[in-house]
Amino acid sequence: GQNIDQPTEMTATEGAIVQINCTYQTSGFNGLFWYQQHAGEAPTFLSYNVLDGLEEKGRFSSFLSRSKGYSYLLLKELQMKDSASYLCASPDNYGQNFVFGPGTRLSVLP
Amino acid sequence: AAGVIQSPRHLIKEKRETATLKCYPIPRHDTVYWYQQGPGQDPQFLISFYEKMQSDKGSIPDRFSAQQFSDYHSELNMSSLELGDSALYFCASSRGQPGLRSYEQYFGPGTRLTVT
Repeated sequence: GQNIDQPTEMTATEGAIVQINCTYQTSGFNGLFWYQQHAGEAPTFLSYNVLDGLEEKGRFSSFLSRSKGYSYLLLKELQMKDSASYLCASPDNYGQNFVFGPGTRLSVLP
Repeated sequence: AAGVIQSPRHLIKEKRETATLKCYPIPRHDTVYWYQQGPGQDPQFLISFYEKMQSDKGSIPDRFSAQQFSDYHSELNMSSLELGDSALYFCASSRGQPGLRSYEQYFGPGTRLTVT
């Protein structure tokens, strides 16, 4: 089975950088996904890591260390619209049973 | 770009009634997933289909059933509704055969079900 953990809430200032951590324990590793979800809306795909290292995509970057069971999402140049929940997810059984972490609610303050 | 379509967007039912939720995946996506998300909770996987066959099963109650049709759309049928079934129900789609690798899932806007 999968066990995924994230901080529940974080606060940061507009224009700053924030790092959201995710630790996971899986019976078999099939990659690590990050999703953004605004309240009452659908999760939207941000990034996917299957190999160790940093994946950069604009203001968002995601890092993975398989040996440590650890990932983080890095958000740069924060904007007010980045206030949302950020979900870390790891698929069980090669993407069939997508297990989400509890989500980190990020509040961006002016 | 076309996205996942779900209908209805909102649904109000009474206890013990039935409900049917529909999902239309992104064109050329062959895999559909259903999730249930309660207030303040993360999405919980219910069931998935690949090429019209059930692919994997999660925490779906026996009162619920689902299928994927020849045009790849999917329907989630919910019977004997309970108050605890009130939640957001998301459908997601992806392209690729589960079991080979993991694929990013694209979520629909969700159906908000309220059971009174």
